[in-house]
Amino acid sequence: EPEVTQTPSHQVTQMGQEVILRCVPISNHLYFYWYRQILGQKVEFLVSFYNNEISEKSEIFDDQFSVERPDGSNFTLKIRSTKLEDSAMYFCASSRGNEQFFGPGTRLTVL
Amino acid sequence: KQEVTQIPAALSVPEGENLVLNCSFTDSAIYNLQWFRQDPGKGLTSLLLIQSSQREQTSGRLNASLDKSSGRSTLYIAASQPGDSATYLCAVSPLVGTGFQKLVFGTGTRLLVSP
Repeated sequence: EPEVTQTPSHQVTQMGQEVILRCVPISNHLYFYWYRQILGQKVEFLVSFYNNEISEKSEIFDDQFSVERPDGSNFTLKIRSTKLEDSAMYFCASSRGNEQFFGPGTRLTVL
Repeated sequence: KQEVTQIPAALSVPEGENLVLNCSFTDSAIYNLQWFRQDPGKGLTSLLLIQSSQREQTSGRLNASLDKSSGRSTLYIAASQPGDSATYLCAVSPLVGTGFQKLVFGTGTRLLVSP
């Protein structure tokens, strides 16, 4: 059964460094999303992406964040200068329009 | 702003019991509602999707209902098993534009089913 995959599973970085989180959505899906979950808190929407452009973003998704679909299969989230408060589990999701399917997540730890 | 609440926050039951998890949302203008399961440290597994025009959906021992006008959904789990132990998340997709946008999540119900 097709699934969303994410790499790496765990990323440790120093404050101020750039990180790129990678996702491979399900191949025939058209809509792509990033969410994050800070430990013990709700899953929060970051950004949605359709037709090679951002369709919606939350107030969390400031200028430090960017997304890209560099080729036909990958979908990436870049954080330019990480802060301690960016430590969270980051989930990628994809859909054909209704049901969203989530990847296993990347745990980002900022020291 | 859409807010999603789940009650109870935690639930502990013996194996074999039928149980109900509750989800409420403040704005009835939704495109759909989705129930997920999250195991500790893991991703989210989609369980059921209910479109706003539907009243319920069933998958195996799971049944989800939706009362959009009152802003409520319930997830019914029949004959619970220890393998059902997980956190159950409810999420709504606000009716904005095409609707293929964000999900707004609740805080979840942590379920423990003991043998």
